[in-house]
Amino acid sequence: EPEVTQTPSHQVTQMGQEVILRCVPISNHLYFYWYRQILGQKVEFLVSFYNNEISEKSEIFDDQFSVERPDGSNFTLKIRSTKLEDSAMYFCASTRVRTEAFFGQGTRLTVV
Amino acid sequence: AQTVTQSQPEMSVQEAETVTLSCTYDTSESDYYLFWYKQPPSRQMILVIRQEAYKQQNATENRFSVNFQKAAKSFSLKISDSQLGDAAMYFCAYRSFSQGGSEKLVFGKGTKLTVNP
Repeated sequence: EPEVTQTPSHQVTQMGQEVILRCVPISNHLYFYWYRQILGQKVEFLVSFYNNEISEKSEIFDDQFSVERPDGSNFTLKIRSTKLEDSAMYFCASTRVRTEAFFGQGTRLTVV
Repeated sequence: AQTVTQSQPEMSVQEAETVTLSCTYDTSESDYYLFWYKQPPSRQMILVIRQEAYKQQNATENRFSVNFQKAAKSFSLKISDSQLGDAAMYFCAYRSFSQGGSEKLVFGKGTKLTVNP
């Protein structure tokens, strides 16, 4: 069964460093998303991406964040200068039109 | 803006019994989907069941079923014959499919389900 794959599963980084979280969405999906979940809190939308551009973003997704689909298979989330409050579980998801979103297993980001 | 409310932070059920998790939502749209996702301790988000708003029939998936009350904006999840593996956080989620509407999933805060042997 096709699935969304995220790497790494856990990343520890120093405050102020850049991190790139990687995702391989399901191959015939068209919409791609990043969500985050701070420990013990609800899942929050960050950004959606369609047709090689951002289609929607939340207020959380400020200038420190960027997304890219560099090669038609990978979908990345970059945080330029990490802060302590960026520590969270980051989920990538993908979907065809009018179907449920399929989530990856998540990347746990710890900023120290 | 759409909101999703799960009023039960925690629930517990005996193995083999039935439990119902509540969810209400607020929207002015007519075209949307509702979902229940399960998040076990591994923290992966697993789709349990979905309901299209235009369908009057309640969705079922094996031991999982929903009670969708569109007028009341209520979407509860019933788990029958509960198993130890059902223990997890359960999130209710809303997604718009209206023309020009947001594509994002809006999640509730979750309900932690404990299954007692």
